[in-house]
Amino acid sequence: SQQGEEDPQALSIQEGENATMNCSYKTSINNLQWYRQNSGRGLVHLILIRSNEREKHSGRLRVTLDTSKKSSSLLITASRAADTASYFCATGTGANSKLTFGKGITLSVRP
Amino acid sequence: EAGVAQSPRYKIIEKRQSVAFWCNPISGHATLYWYQQILGQGPKLLIQFQNNGVVDDSQLPKDRFSAERLKGVDSTLKIQPAKLEDSAVYLCASSLAYSYEQYFGPGTRLTVT
Repeated sequence: SQQGEEDPQALSIQEGENATMNCSYKTSINNLQWYRQNSGRGLVHLILIRSNEREKHSGRLRVTLDTSKKSSSLLITASRAADTASYFCATGTGANSKLTFGKGITLSVRP
Repeated sequence: EAGVAQSPRYKIIEKRQSVAFWCNPISGHATLYWYQQILGQGPKLLIQFQNNGVVDDSQLPKDRFSAERLKGVDSTLKIQPAKLEDSAVYLCASSLAYSYEQYFGPGTRLTVT
């Protein structure tokens, strides 16, 4: 079963705009991660936030985590056409930090 | 640093045939994962190895799927016999022991006709 649910399912923006993607989950987690997948490729790890962290930055990425609401958001600032991809949130649970992925968000950045 | 290698990249078989996929993880990564990604969905974990031992295979359809990781390095995933619903991309990932960050290979796209 898929723990994380991303919102929206699809997002289309103009180059230079910011993109905000949300993820909600149901059970307690150790960490939450965001991955990117370009068409026909494997997934690339973007950022990880632990359950005791509230916000994290990496380059143009900012991720927040609200464990009381069981939700996370990923913000991509100053988007580029190369950011066009599918984005997945994955929740890590259990001693082995098993990852459970959502269905993903399709982001299109128009040049 | 070389990434996770997978082969073949594409495979087309008829239902009831068998197929095998191969994965070579990043050197030094003790943990290896096989995921199934059906079109339009996120990856679903099939099996997780720590060195050559199985950590989690709770979602592996054991009547038709098998996986092994001999010598704690390369791994193979086999489907026998294949069903139409097995059509998907099979992703291999690896990570350092007890690390949360996973590195994915390019995947094998399987089409069962």
